[in-house]
This record gives sequence, structure tokens and C-alpha cells, in this order.
Amino acid sequence: GQSLEQPSEVTAVEGAIVQINCTYQTSGFYGLSWYQQHDGGAPTFLSYNGLDGLEETGRFSSFLSRSDSYGYLLLQELQMKDSASYFCAVRPLSGSARQLTFGSGTQLTVLP
Amino acid sequence: DADVTQTPRNRITKTGKRIMLECSQTKGHDRMYWYRQDPGLGLRLIYYSFDVKDINKGEISDGYSVSRQAQAKFSLSLESAIPNQTALYFCATSEGFGETQYFGPGTRLLVL
Repeated sequence: GQSLEQPSEVTAVEGAIVQINCTYQTSGFYGLSWYQQHDGGAPTFLSYNGLDGLEETGRFSSFLSRSDSYGYLLLQELQMKDSASYFCAVRPLSGSARQLTFGSGTQLTVLP
Repeated sequence: DADVTQTPRNRITKTGKRIMLECSQTKGHDRMYWYRQDPGLGLRLIYYSFDVKDINKGEISDGYSVSRQAQAKFSLSLESAIPNQTALYFCATSEGFGETQYFGPGTRLLVL
């Protein structure tokens, strides 16, 4: 099976850098995805790591290390609009569904 | 216009009633999904469909059924609603293998 763990809450100030970690216990997966969700709105795709290493998209970067069973989302130059929930997700290699499985999410609060 | 739409956006119903949540998409994607979101539990997969003739159960399908009326339409039904089905329901679409999914705005359902 698969289990994804994220911190439930993270707080940072505007302009700072914040890292949201995602650790997992899974028998194997295709890659690690990140989604952003503003207060009850539609989740939106942020990034995908199919291979180990760093992927950068503007102010956001995502990292995956399969050997360490660990990934993270890095948000730089934080803005107030970055206050949202962030979910990591994996699609397992085996199992009955092999569909995207989400972590419980991290609520990021950006303070002025 | 939104690429993935859901109706209704909000619904209040009583225990035992049958209700249907509808999802339409203009993205031309073959794959569609229904998720449920409860506070602190992230997104959980109810059902998914790879094309009109393909319907699959997800993690939490008990108490739910679906219908894929066309490539663009995927409906979720609660045959006999119960209070613990009170949640936020999202429809999503994807092309390819599903790491990148596009979500509708959600339906907030309250079962009394």
C-alpha cells in the first residue's frame, strides 16, 4: 500500500522561503505530484517529479529522492496569495486502482 | 468558460434521498474521476473512468454509483444518502496516465 505524510500546518512570512515535506511508505510509484488548493476551491496541479532531483517552475520547485522516500515542495519569495493547502500525491505501480493517491495536505499560512 | 464544470455547487438533502452530482468537461480528456474531500483527510478516489465503456471503483466506492453518459459527462449518484456522506465532492479529468489532473469547482453536499 501507500502512505503519504505531510505536516498539517506551516506558517511563514511574506518574502520568505518555505519547504513543505512529503514522506512516503509505498511499494513503488510512478512519480510525485504536488497540488495547490485555496480554501475549498478546486485543486490545481503545480508540479510533477518522475525522476529524482529538482524541478523548477518559477517561484516553486519540487524535489524527489526515491532512495530517501522523501520529497518536498519549495516556495520562494512567498506572497500572501500562496496561503493555501498543498497536497503531495503519488500513483502507485501496483494495487487494484493504481490511481493518484493524495496526502492529507499542508495548510500554509503566509503572514504579512 | 470553465473546462470542468460541476452541478450543483451546493446541495442540502435528507437521509435516504437519492441525489445525483453532475460533471461536464470541454477538455476532450478520456479519463474522468470523482473524489471526496473531508477536512483533514485530503482527496479520496470514489470512482474513475478511462472511457465511456470503462468504469472502475476507487478507494471508497461503497454507497456511490456512477454513470459515464458521454466522453464529456460523468455523474455521481448517492442512492440513499447518509449523513457521513456530507463532504466536498470534486470531479477531475486527465489525459495520459493521470499525474496531471484538472479539477472542477466542487460540490458541497450536506446530508441531514
